[in-house]
Amino acid sequence: NAGVTQTPKFRILKIGQSMTLQCTQDMNHNYMYWYRQDPGMGLKLIYYSVGAGITDKGEVPNGYNVSRSTTEDFPLRLELAAPSQTSVYFCASGVGVMNTEAFFGQGTRLTVV
Amino acid sequence: AQKITQTQPGMFVQEKEAVTLDCTYDTSDQSYGLFWYKQPSSGEMIFLIYQGSYDEQNATEGRYSLNFQKARKSANLVISASQLGDSAMYFCAMRETQGAQKLVFGQGTRLTINP
Repeated sequence: NAGVTQTPKFRILKIGQSMTLQCTQDMNHNYMYWYRQDPGMGLKLIYYSVGAGITDKGEVPNGYNVSRSTTEDFPLRLELAAPSQTSVYFCASGVGVMNTEAFFGQGTRLTVV
Repeated sequence: AQKITQTQPGMFVQEKEAVTLDCTYDTSDQSYGLFWYKQPSSGEMIFLIYQGSYDEQNATEGRYSLNFQKARKSANLVISASQLGDSAMYFCAMRETQGAQKLVFGQGTRLTINP
């Protein structure tokens, strides 16, 4: 059981480049989340999804886009990368039942230079 | 809007002592869930404990317990008999049951256990 898988683990981007962070879960979870974590800080919600075809903005959505065409996949797209997007990105998934936790991927460390 | 506040950026504790990590929250919902996660230096997020807003008993999981005071909107994590391996970042999080059930995190507390 792989859980939540994020790829890549590390990436260096040049300013203005674009990329997609991949997130896949094999637990048939309906809820999925994308967070960013700046050094020494907490997790800020970028986008989330309550099911295939449904996405919504979190606290810091500017500069990002998402899609949810299947239950398993929730890719995060960065367009025109900026140094301010240097961060660690976490994908998480959950059942949506109140007393169950969200499961996290291992994170993607992104540096924009 | 829901909000989580952790006011202790860092805590230093002697091994084997108990430690309390503070968490306060703000929500207009009556039904919500509170979570604590641990993030060691390796970076992964590890779920520790859950408390529901309607749970009458404080949650416990091994050495972890959650001191839930609903009227004060606080959900402090208590770690008993701390160990060196407890050194990590600790995050409090909340999910409301109404609407989209966003899972929102606090700023975190860095706990260091001294031998």
